[in-house]
Amino acid sequence: KQEVTQIPAALSVPEGENLVLNCSFTDSAIYNLQWFRQDPGKGLTSLLLIQSSQREQTSGRLNASLDKSSGRSTLYIAASQPGDSATYLCAVRIDRGSTLGRLYFGRGTQLTVWP
Amino acid sequence: GAGVSQSPSNKVTEKGKDVELRCDPISGHTALYWYRQSLGQGLEFLIYFQGNSAPDKSGLPSDRFSAERTGGSVSTLTIQRTQQEDSAVYLCASSLGQTIQPQHFGDGTRLSIL
Repeated sequence: KQEVTQIPAALSVPEGENLVLNCSFTDSAIYNLQWFRQDPGKGLTSLLLIQSSQREQTSGRLNASLDKSSGRSTLYIAASQPGDSATYLCAVRIDRGSTLGRLYFGRGTQLTVWP
Repeated sequence: GAGVSQSPSNKVTEKGKDVELRCDPISGHTALYWYRQSLGQGLEFLIYFQGNSAPDKSGLPSDRFSAERTGGSVSTLTIQRTQQEDSAVYLCASSLGQTIQPQHFGDGTRLSIL
């Protein structure tokens, strides 16, 4: 069974800092990896999707990298802002048969950026 | 609307009652997924649909849980004889296809069993 771990569980930083959130997974036979943010009481907003053949994806101040062989992904947030405060979730999709549709989620990193 | 729509947004019911949760995916999305988010378990997969069929329903926790999808669009998740441990946020997602496309989530239904 795929296990996804996110470190740290919580992070509190002043505005302007560059941040790295970590995600690791046990089964390297992944199809793709997706990073989400979740605001309190809300659903998940997709941030970045990295296919297994890719090394990284960028969107604005966000950059996600993937090292499939070592089972790791990082989400880099540049010049953090208070509006970035949310829970960040990492999810992987395994490249196996009937379970190909599902995502396996980590527990998330709760980020607080203070002014 | 442009996003995944779920209803109701909140549901409070007594133990033993049946509940139905509804998901309206993004128009044109053929794949639909149900997940459950609870404090102790994080986000767990329940079932996914490709069109009207469910190739993977292995995440349904018991036979009290069932789901259907009609017309390749709206899906209903039904929980019979609810138990307190069913209390959670039930999230629905949809995607254009099964594999390479990202999943887009609704805001969820918060279910509380008294």
